[in-house]
Amino acid sequence: SQQGEEDPQALSIQEGENATMNCSYKTSINNLQWYRQNSGRGLVHLILIRSNEREKHSGRLRVTLDTSKKSSSLLITASRAADTASYFCATDLNTGGFKTIFGAGTRLFVKA
Amino acid sequence: EPEVTQTPSHQVTQMGQEVILRCVPISNHLYFYWYRQILGQKVEFLVSFYNNEISEKSEIFDDQFSVERPDGSNFTLKIRSTKLEDSAMYFCASSGVRSGPPNEQFFGPGTRLTVL
Repeated sequence: SQQGEEDPQALSIQEGENATMNCSYKTSINNLQWYRQNSGRGLVHLILIRSNEREKHSGRLRVTLDTSKKSSSLLITASRAADTASYFCATDLNTGGFKTIFGAGTRLFVKA
Repeated sequence: EPEVTQTPSHQVTQMGQEVILRCVPISNHLYFYWYRQILGQKVEFLVSFYNNEISEKSEIFDDQFSVERPDGSNFTLKIRSTKLEDSAMYFCASSGVRSGPPNEQFFGPGTRLTVL
């Protein structure tokens, strides 16, 4: 698998439901971040979780990190139609330099 | 609220021509990045820049690519001889207000490069 693989590739849910997206990675990381992108536009930072953290919350977002399994999940609770977008995890690699690798993303569609 | 800006928003060029993509990062940031995204594909890391030098670069960032921070505010990506496969959206990002591991990256709106 590649660094930063998400699943599912696409997710379609009804407004009000929760959406869970998963990310797996291969190498040692400093941080893991989640970003959102609307239709090929710029990326918006959602949340950053450090390698020594296990869970983080921000509004309707909840992120978990399991470094032993090299995986993370993003939960969006009570989804809204406006949450429709692509969601990417990005790993800041522990290389001594500054290198961020994005996953392929999950396309989320929230039906009103 | 401070933001990263990029110019132009769309650049059309002929194969073999040189292009320079420009970015103005957030003014007190220390770390700068270029990424590209081919239509419908994932965001690919190209290069990171810190303390006036390249920190990391990917396999994509070959001798045809170069970056510069010429005047303390602009951050440019130059492609010397463009190829058809360079057609993509190019994103600039910046992060970090002090030394140490950088935090969240702030992305510009992107430059769409079309090579004909």
